[in-house]
Amino acid sequence: KNEVEQSPQNLTAQEGEFITINCSYSVGISALHWLQQHPGGGIVSLFMLSSGKKKHGRLIATINIQEKHSSLHITASHPRDSAVYICAVNGMDSNYQLIWGAGTKLIIKP
Amino acid sequence: KAGVTQTPRYLIKTRGQQVTLSCSPISGHRSVSWYQQTPGQGLQFLFEYFSETQRNKGNFPGRFSGRQFSNSRSEMNVSTLELGDSALYLCASSFSTENTGELFFGEGSRLTVL
Repeated sequence: KNEVEQSPQNLTAQEGEFITINCSYSVGISALHWLQQHPGGGIVSLFMLSSGKKKHGRLIATINIQEKHSSLHITASHPRDSAVYICAVNGMDSNYQLIWGAGTKLIIKP
Repeated sequence: KAGVTQTPRYLIKTRGQQVTLSCSPISGHRSVSWYQQTPGQGLQFLFEYFSETQRNKGNFPGRFSGRQFSNSRSEMNVSTLELGDSALYLCASSFSTENTGELFFGEGSRLTVL
């Protein structure tokens, strides 16, 4: 079993829909990252959080430390949001090395 | 402020050759980490450097090595290339002096081994 699990693996939605991507982890962490990767390779850090909730524009990230679970929400989704969204955690037992989820491929149709 | 710069962006090598990839972090960032991304394996951590010292190392064979210079620029080297080394190699820099911190990624170096 992977230490960081994301769901769903693939998600296709219509423009305007509310999107939720989930990340569960099984290790102790100091921080959790949400990142976005567009076709072509470039990765952009969206959020780094260790508790509570963060919001940036139409993106919201939440984390529940007790349940070892985080969610990334996209409101009023747009085709330009189409990308792979990756969850990664700094694992305390691995010298805070980043442990990566497999990613969620999101396609937003116009 | 310039972002993270990786060179070269694309390269083709043959089995048995060696390759050196370069990463220039954002000015002021002292932590540089390297990742390998393949379609089958996703992102895999290679190593992380901070102030010229390797602070963390992933589970890769000794053919993969790296170093960091006093100006925080980092290089990684892969010797005796194998077909399976074909991948996108990404580096990321961070300002944080701790092992956690927001990461800023370069566009990557796409290596093809023939």
